[in-house]
Amino acid sequence: DARVTQTPRHKVTEMGQEVTMRCQPILGHNTVFWYRQTMMQGLELLAYFRNRAPLDDSGMPKDRFSAEMPDATLATLKIQPSEPRDSAVYFCASGFLGGAETQYFGPGTRLLVL
Amino acid sequence: GQNIDQPTEMTATEGAIVQINCTYQTSGFNGLFWYQQHAGEAPTFLSYNVLDGLEEKGRFSSFLSRSKGYSYLLLKELQMKDSASYLCAVRGANSGGYQKVTFGTGTKLQVIP
Repeated sequence: DARVTQTPRHKVTEMGQEVTMRCQPILGHNTVFWYRQTMMQGLELLAYFRNRAPLDDSGMPKDRFSAEMPDATLATLKIQPSEPRDSAVYFCASGFLGGAETQYFGPGTRLLVL
Repeated sequence: GQNIDQPTEMTATEGAIVQINCTYQTSGFNGLFWYQQHAGEAPTFLSYNVLDGLEEKGRFSSFLSRSKGYSYLLLKELQMKDSASYLCAVRGANSGGYQKVTFGTGTKLQVIP
């Protein structure tokens, strides 16, 4: 049963600390998405990768957020320095370009910045 | 850009039928998705429509009218486990090399006995 995995599942940190979230997309998928979800804003797209290349990171605060795909099995999202307003659930999703490109979501990382 | 509207909350009775509407305005259209999200969990794919008409999948059906910028998700024979948020998402025109998917804020459905 192929699925997207994310680590850590929960993270509590103090303001100013670096946070790294990791995602393993479904094997064979060639698109990866990072989303942030809050009660107020819903699902916001932060970054989109196709074949490991970033195509869209317009939703990401560039001064503190960075997203990379060092290889086809790993995507990372970093926040440095973290701020309380970054507290949210961060979802990674993967898909296969061609047809609908249905997105399959990981379980999410619940981040709390104190 | 894209704008997606769906009701914030709905309540329905176990065993009944409920229709969740979604309207959208988009600069281009390449498909509409419905996702289900239980509290504290990740969204899961329910349906995809790219042509007008009704797509049926078990107790769930999804309808699309491209000319009206309108879709609905129909849930039949409601069960308590159907209590969740239902997210409408629209795939837009090519921009920056890909067709961006924008999610609505979701409709929280509560099924009551």
